[in-house]
Amino acid sequence: GIQVEQSPPDLILQEGANSTLRCNFSDSVNNLQWFHQNPWGQLINLFYIPSGTKQNGRLSATTVATERYSLLYISSSQTTDSGVYFCAVDSYGNNRLAFGKGNQVVVIP
Amino acid sequence: DAMVIQNPRYQVTQFGKPVTLSCSQTLNHNVMYWYQQKSSQAPKLLFHYYDKDFNNEADTPDNFQSRRPNTSFCFLDIRSPGLGDAAMYLCATSRGTTNEKLFFGSGTQLSVL
Repeated sequence: GIQVEQSPPDLILQEGANSTLRCNFSDSVNNLQWFHQNPWGQLINLFYIPSGTKQNGRLSATTVATERYSLLYISSSQTTDSGVYFCAVDSYGNNRLAFGKGNQVVVIP
Repeated sequence: DAMVIQNPRYQVTQFGKPVTLSCSQTLNHNVMYWYQQKSSQAPKLLFHYYDKDFNNEADTPDNFQSRRPNTSFCFLDIRSPGLGDAAMYLCATSRGTTNEKLFFGSGTQLSVL
C-alpha cells in the first residue's frame, strides 16, 4: 500500500513562531487531507488538498502532486495549535485514507 | 452543532466482556467509518459502510463487528475484548466514497481491565 512519511515527528515552537510540516507519499494520490488532533483526541479536518494551495486563517497548505509531497504552514503559532497534525492520503479514489504517523507540535507561551 | 457524535467518551470493559460503541451523525452522509487509534499511533481503518453496504479491511480481526441500522447511526461491537484492544475508537463520515472530506467524532477511549 501507499506509504506516508511526515516530518519532523516532533516540534517545539515559541508562541508567535512560524513552522512548516511536511508529508511525503510514495504513490500518486487522488485524495490528501490534513487533520489536527487536539490534546483531547478530536480530529479536525484542516484541508482537503490533493493538489494546489489553500489558506485558512493562519494555516495554509500546498500539495505538489507530481513530486509527491504536501506542506502545511503554521504562521504566528498559538498555544491552541498544539497537538498532532496528520496527513492522510488515498491513491485509489475510494476514500480509504492511509494516515502518516503525525507531527507532534507543542507551542509554548 | 455537533455533527458526528460518539458515546460514551470513555468506556471501561472487562477482558472478554462484549462492548458496543456508538456513533451518530447529523450530516446525512452516506459513508460511515470506524478507525482504531492506539496510543501515539496513526488512526487505522477497521471498516466502513457505504449506505448499508459493509466493507471490511482485510486485516481487521473477526472480533470486531459493525452495524448500521439507519443512515444516522453506526455501532462498533467488540465481541471479546482483549488487552490489546484498548485504544481510541474514532468514527468518521463522508458524503461519498470518492475523494471526499472526512469528518470525525471526538472518539471513545476504551479501556480493558
